[in-house]
Amino acid sequence: GQNIDQPTEMTATEGAIVQINCTYQTSGFNGLFWYQQHAGEAPTFLSYNVLDGLEEKGRFSSFLSRSKGYSYLLLKELQMKDSASYLCAVRGNYGQNFVFGPGTRLSVLP
Amino acid sequence: DGGITQSPKYLFRKEGQNVTLSCEQNLNHDAMYWYRQDPGQGLRLIYYSQIVNDFQKGDIAEGYSVSREKKESFPLTVTSAQKNPTAFYLCASSIDGLANEQFFGPGTRLTVL
Repeated sequence: GQNIDQPTEMTATEGAIVQINCTYQTSGFNGLFWYQQHAGEAPTFLSYNVLDGLEEKGRFSSFLSRSKGYSYLLLKELQMKDSASYLCAVRGNYGQNFVFGPGTRLSVLP
Repeated sequence: DGGITQSPKYLFRKEGQNVTLSCEQNLNHDAMYWYRQDPGQGLRLIYYSQIVNDFQKGDIAEGYSVSREKKESFPLTVTSAQKNPTAFYLCASSIDGLANEQFFGPGTRLTVL
């Protein structure tokens, strides 16, 4: 089967750094994806990892360890607009569809 | 401007009625998807289509039907057989079935009374 776990909620302070973890168990692996979703809106693509290591994109970075079935999304210099849900998704084998985790709702406080 | 549109944003229906949700894209994407999102749960795949006139069931297809007569359009019908249809429905597209990035529409929130 396929299973993806994320913390349900997190809270952080404006200007701080926060790390959102994702663990997965899937049959096959061909990429891990992070999406941001503001309440009542569509998810938007943030990052993609297929090899172990860190991918940096501005204030956001995503890390992958395939041997541990683990990823994290790192958000630096938090802003109020970063308050949203962050969805972790995994593609099993190449060409297969994505399996999404339950999402982590991040609240950024002033 | 290219993108995906879904209409309406909010939809109310009485129990026992079929309802069709619209999804249109002008991105020239081959692949299109329908997801359902419930509170506290991730997106779950209902149906997907990688090419015109072809579509496949996802993880939770029971009680739903789709058609893909045109590349730009992928409507979803929620039938009376769907036991718990109240949810947030998201349509997405990608260049093809192998692409890494999916582009999502704004969603339709369906409430069945």
